[in-house]
Amino acid sequence: DAGVTQSPTHLIKTRGQQVTLRCSPKSGHDTVSWYQQALGQGPQFIFQYYEEEERQRGNFPDRFSGHQFPNYSSELNVNALLLGDSALYLCASSLLTGPRSRGYTFGSGTRLTVV
Amino acid sequence: AQTVTQSQPEMSVQEAETVTLSCTYDTSESDYYLFWYKQPPSRQMILVIRQEAYKQQNATENRFSVNFQKAAKSFSLKISDSQLGDAAMYFCAYRANAGGTSYGKLTFGQGTILTVHP
Repeated sequence: DAGVTQSPTHLIKTRGQQVTLRCSPKSGHDTVSWYQQALGQGPQFIFQYYEEEERQRGNFPDRFSGHQFPNYSSELNVNALLLGDSALYLCASSLLTGPRSRGYTFGSGTRLTVV
Repeated sequence: AQTVTQSQPEMSVQEAETVTLSCTYDTSESDYYLFWYKQPPSRQMILVIRQEAYKQQNATENRFSVNFQKAAKSFSLKISDSQLGDAAMYFCAYRANAGGTSYGKLTFGQGTILTVHP
């Protein structure tokens, strides 16, 4: 039973560029959430996707956008990259409803460096 | 807005000893979940223990237990018989209860780095 898979594991981009990060949820999960974790800090919620729609969003600018596909996988897109976007981006999947709905499974993240 | 505060940036413990990590939170909700997550150098967040706010009994998972003080909004983690593999960054997290679903965000604290000395 595969866990959450994120790709790529590391990425270096230039300021002003655009980036796409990918997440495949744990088998059986239908909800994907994205978090940004700056070095030495706790993760910050970016947004959550369910049924291919953004259901809740944290305090992030519109440069951050996402998508969820019919197979529940998800993408995080960041436009016009800033140096401050350098961080570890974590994906967490869950089952929205049901007796096992309270558990989240996290991936190992994508380390994004903006230079 | 909900906030989670971990006031201990770093803690250390001798192998086989006991250590307690502190966490306080602020919320106006009455029904919520609290979590402790472990993040080793592999970066993956691993759930250590979960507490449901409406449950009076403190959660336990093997060597890990919590002291949940709802009125004081305090949620500490006790690790007994510490092992070298317990060394990691530990995060306290909060989530409002959304009708038994996983809808909604986790709010994390700043983390505590735990070092285990042999």
